[in-house]
Amino acid sequence: DTEVTQTPKHLVMGMTNKKSLKCEQHMGHRAMYWYKQKAKKPPELMFVYSYEKLSINESVPSRFSPECPNSSLLNLHLHALQPEDSALYLCASSHASSGRLNEQFFGPGTRLTVL
Amino acid sequence: QKEVEQDPGPLSVPEGAIVSLNCTYSNSAFQYFMWYRQYSRKGPELLMYTYSSGNKEDGRFTAQVDKSSKYISLFIRDSQPSDSATYLCAMSAYLTSYDKVIFGPGTSLSVIP
Repeated sequence: DTEVTQTPKHLVMGMTNKKSLKCEQHMGHRAMYWYKQKAKKPPELMFVYSYEKLSINESVPSRFSPECPNSSLLNLHLHALQPEDSALYLCASSHASSGRLNEQFFGPGTRLTVL
Repeated sequence: QKEVEQDPGPLSVPEGAIVSLNCTYSNSAFQYFMWYRQYSRKGPELLMYTYSSGNKEDGRFTAQVDKSSKYISLFIRDSQPSDSATYLCAMSAYLTSYDKVIFGPGTSLSVIP
């Protein structure tokens, strides 16, 4: 199984809603990533978890709250978002080996629209 | 100056053409250089990666890195309509238990049958 799955595929939410994005992998990867991608732009790193611990937070606003409940699951909790947060949210996972390139496998993304 | 720069295109070529995609970068600490392909409404997938300077070939794809010029290229031979996608160069400086990858803005490629 070399797949990263993300749910939901699409999400429309109001600025006062609370919602969550979910990512799952069963490749035994111990590093998991959240990226944000706007149209015709490259993915921008938001968070990295390594061995279920938050290793990187790229100064992301607190209205985005990541959670890694176990080595296969990664969540992104959303609250009080702004319309400019509308984007494709990509999850990726990789092995967590030091001293070598760890290929990141990406999921298909969740397309988020904030009204 | 942006950390990684890439001609956004769009680039349109006839089937069978040789395609050249290029990126320049400013951070001399980058050691690993990658090319990702992203189809519409899909996540990126890693095509090739190279370490330091040199060439690497994989089928119809050749990646080149010139660290002295801070310039990388991806060549696609005998291009096919299925190669139509956005190509993102990406770079990484640190090899810890996770990789912080910096992406270029991407080049949109269309291969016309």
